[in-house]
Amino acid sequence: AQSVTQPDARVTVSEGASLQLRCKYSYFGTPYLFWYVQYPRQGLQLLLKYYPGDPVVQGVNGFEAEFSKSNSSFHLRKASVHWSDWAVYFCAVDMGYKLTFGTGTSLLVDP
Amino acid sequence: NAGVIQTPRHKVTGKGQEATLWCEPISGHSAVFWYRQTIVQGLEFLTYFRNQAPIDDSGMPKERFSAQMPNQSHSTLKIQSTQPQDSAVYLCASSLRASQNTLYFGAGTRLSVL
Repeated sequence: AQSVTQPDARVTVSEGASLQLRCKYSYFGTPYLFWYVQYPRQGLQLLLKYYPGDPVVQGVNGFEAEFSKSNSSFHLRKASVHWSDWAVYFCAVDMGYKLTFGTGTSLLVDP
Repeated sequence: NAGVIQTPRHKVTGKGQEATLWCEPISGHSAVFWYRQTIVQGLEFLTYFRNQAPIDDSGMPKERFSAQMPNQSHSTLKIQSTQPQDSAVYLCASSLRASQNTLYFGAGTRLSVL
């Protein structure tokens, strides 16, 4: 089945430290991939999206992600985490017209 | 642009009562989606409209759930005879067009069935 997996339910990092949130996909062909963020009591907001091309994608607020076909991965990175990044992060794959989401990774930021 | 607007933000119903959730998509967007979010199941696709026409309702529980889009400015999700397991956050999203496009989500309606 075509899907995305986020193996880490929760990640804790210190403010100012670097961050990587993992996403593995299972998809026949070349996928269109997304990272969304959900702040408390809000809907999901797009961080970045990958369409076939440059494997490194830049997003908002200093986030970037790298697509790897060989590893079936689309990991999210940030060089220096801010306390305002405390949220839940979802990886998603485009299934033609609808998105299928991973289970999400809760990011906790230590001050 | 106010984004996708969902009302109410929070709805409390008694078991067996009906709940109607409203969504106003972004003006000009032709695709509207409904998702359900729970701790256990995560984000589940429910249904999808394109140019107001129902295209895919494969995620909808068949017996008590229904969705409509009577005009391009709003969609409704109706749950009849609500049950405690229907408690969830229901998210509406719209996109400019279907396929490979960014979804813009509303803040959601939290449904609590007592």
